[in-house]
Amino acid sequence: ILNVEQSPQSLHVQEGDSTNFTCSFPSSNFYALHWYRWETAKSPEALFVMTLNGDEKKKGRISATLNTKEGYSYLYIKGSQPEDSATYLCAFRDNYGQNFVFGPGTRLSVLP
Amino acid sequence: DGGITQSPKYLFRKEGQNVTLSCEQNLNHDAMYWYRQDPGQGLRLIYYSQIVNDFQKGDIAEGYSVSREKKESFPLTVTSAQKNPTAFYLCASSDIQGLNQPQHFGDGTRLSIL
Repeated sequence: ILNVEQSPQSLHVQEGDSTNFTCSFPSSNFYALHWYRWETAKSPEALFVMTLNGDEKKKGRISATLNTKEGYSYLYIKGSQPEDSATYLCAFRDNYGQNFVFGPGTRLSVLP
Repeated sequence: DGGITQSPKYLFRKEGQNVTLSCEQNLNHDAMYWYRQDPGQGLRLIYYSQIVNDFQKGDIAEGYSVSREKKESFPLTVTSAQKNPTAFYLCASSDIQGLNQPQHFGDGTRLSIL
């Protein structure tokens, strides 16, 4: 079973702070990486689909980068707001697998 | 609205009982998935199906069964053989025709043992 790790496990920041967290995955046979946001009492929602080394994606104040050679992706949130509070999941797939393996998530709390 | 509907939201199982979790989608997606979430762990794949009348075991299929008789529906049965069924269950779907499509999730079912 592939190992996908996320750090930190949880994070508390003040409103207006910028923050970032990491998804680590195997550096060989990369196929794709997805980022999802999962708010309490809602279903996970796709943020980014990343497929190429060096990819940078942006959606509003949230952006993500991808380094397939070293096996990590960063998710950045600029000027965090309370509505950004959620668990952020990454999911990795290699060339051999038919499915994605999810990391355990980073739980972000933004304090007003 | 297009989406995925899971029911029920909460489910209680007695010892030795089979229970079935419903998952329906109207997104016209070919692929459907069942995941289990336990505290502190990532989503783990139970079963998946890429086409009607076909499905494959995921990483933790023991004690579970599924069917895919219709494109829209992918019910999961938690059998009495599953000794630790208490968990949060998520259903998802994706369009596998595209190069790399994200998954769309339902709201989940929380299963507890009485």
